[in-house]
Amino acid sequence: RKEVEQDPGPFNVPEGATVAFNCTYSNSASQSFFWYRQDCRKEPKLLMSVYSSGNEDGRFTAQLNRASQYISLLIRDSKLSDSATYLCVGENSGGYQKVTFGTGTKLQVIP
Amino acid sequence: EPEVTQTPSHQVTQMGQEVILRCVPISNHLYFYWYRQILGQKVEFLVSFYNNEISEKSEIFDDQFSVERPDGSNFTLKIRSTKLEDSAMYFCASSVRQPSGAFFGQGTRLTVV
Repeated sequence: RKEVEQDPGPFNVPEGATVAFNCTYSNSASQSFFWYRQDCRKEPKLLMSVYSSGNEDGRFTAQLNRASQYISLLIRDSKLSDSATYLCVGENSGGYQKVTFGTGTKLQVIP
Repeated sequence: EPEVTQTPSHQVTQMGQEVILRCVPISNHLYFYWYRQILGQKVEFLVSFYNNEISEKSEIFDDQFSVERPDGSNFTLKIRSTKLEDSAMYFCASSVRQPSGAFFGQGTRLTVV
């Protein structure tokens, strides 16, 4: 089983829609999680950290469910500029800082 | 806004040659990383570096790879004898603490011919 698994998509949604991505992880040692976005042929850009208590930043909400080992990202009121690949990332802490990226979920927001 | 800068943006090299990829992390960051992304594939962790030593490396980071922080600002990745399969985008990243999300440079596209 892959350490961090994502539905590759693509998710094609109309402007203004709400879209949610899930990401599952297998390594229970993973302590911290993040969402990045990556535009085509560009570098990953940190979007937000993910906490068990939930984390909201404007139209974006991230959630971590440790019991079920999944992370979610919710985007409300989608904009054309949200079109990108969204990468789920798990990071071990305390001594070993191995970072594992998911393969990414592609989002296309349609006018 | 502070950013991670990488040079060159594109490097073409012959198989068997040595290459050095350069990075200038964000100045107050303490943790440095190299990642690679083969075209169409996921981002793969290579190595993390803290306090002038490697703190973690992946199975990809074998004896052909080395990292160095030769001065107070640069962070380099050396590949001693490049192979065709080393062709990829190499990203440098840095973070202020660990664990935390990292800031990535624009990448160096390495093409081995």
